[in-house]
Amino acid sequence: DGGITQSPKYLFRKEGQNVTLSCEQNLNHDAMYWYRQDPGQGLRLIYYSQIVNDFQKGDIAEGYSVSREKKESFPLTVTSAQKNPTAFYLCASSISEDSSYQPQHFGDGTRLSIL
Amino acid sequence: QKEVEQDPGPLSVPEGAIVSLNCTYSNSAFQYFMWYRQYSRKGPELLMYTYSSGNKEDGRFTAQVDKSSKYISLFIRDSQPSDSATYLCATKTSYDKVIFGPGTSLSVIP
Repeated sequence: DGGITQSPKYLFRKEGQNVTLSCEQNLNHDAMYWYRQDPGQGLRLIYYSQIVNDFQKGDIAEGYSVSREKKESFPLTVTSAQKNPTAFYLCASSISEDSSYQPQHFGDGTRLSIL
Repeated sequence: QKEVEQDPGPLSVPEGAIVSLNCTYSNSAFQYFMWYRQYSRKGPELLMYTYSSGNKEDGRFTAQVDKSSKYISLFIRDSQPSDSATYLCATKTSYDKVIFGPGTSLSVIP
């Protein structure tokens, strides 16, 4: 079955530590996204990538980094510079990012907490 | 003012009731309107999307967009306990990113 796989499901970060969240898709989608979800707030865009080897900052990119070396993979690193990393992180993909709407498909998220 | 506003609830209804979920938005350039359903500890799944104004029906679900009032609605008929989830409205222009509302938590009581 095609879909988006995020791992791990739960992750704990120590102070000063960088952690990496995995996102893999087998939908052959060009565009991929990372969102952060906090209680009472809508999904906020961290980074997005329209094509391999290219990515752009979203609304809340500070303290995060990404790479897009393969079409199917878009890992997110939460760096020690992110002072409030506790949240539910969602990865999504769509066929492409262009002027018409392409529905986004989401993974089941990674819940990151501070130790 | 937030671009998309949504009553967070929680909304609790008896099984079989008609549910009305609503969002308001501020940007008149928004053209695409979506509703996502999110179960606890899961990612959102797309329920419906519409382009511009009007109604769209899919089984027990009806999405309604009123661009003159900047108001979008999702109606659920014959609600079931399996409909208990958080419902996110979302919208976008033709040139910008998707903007999500904060979600409304719905509980359907058997």
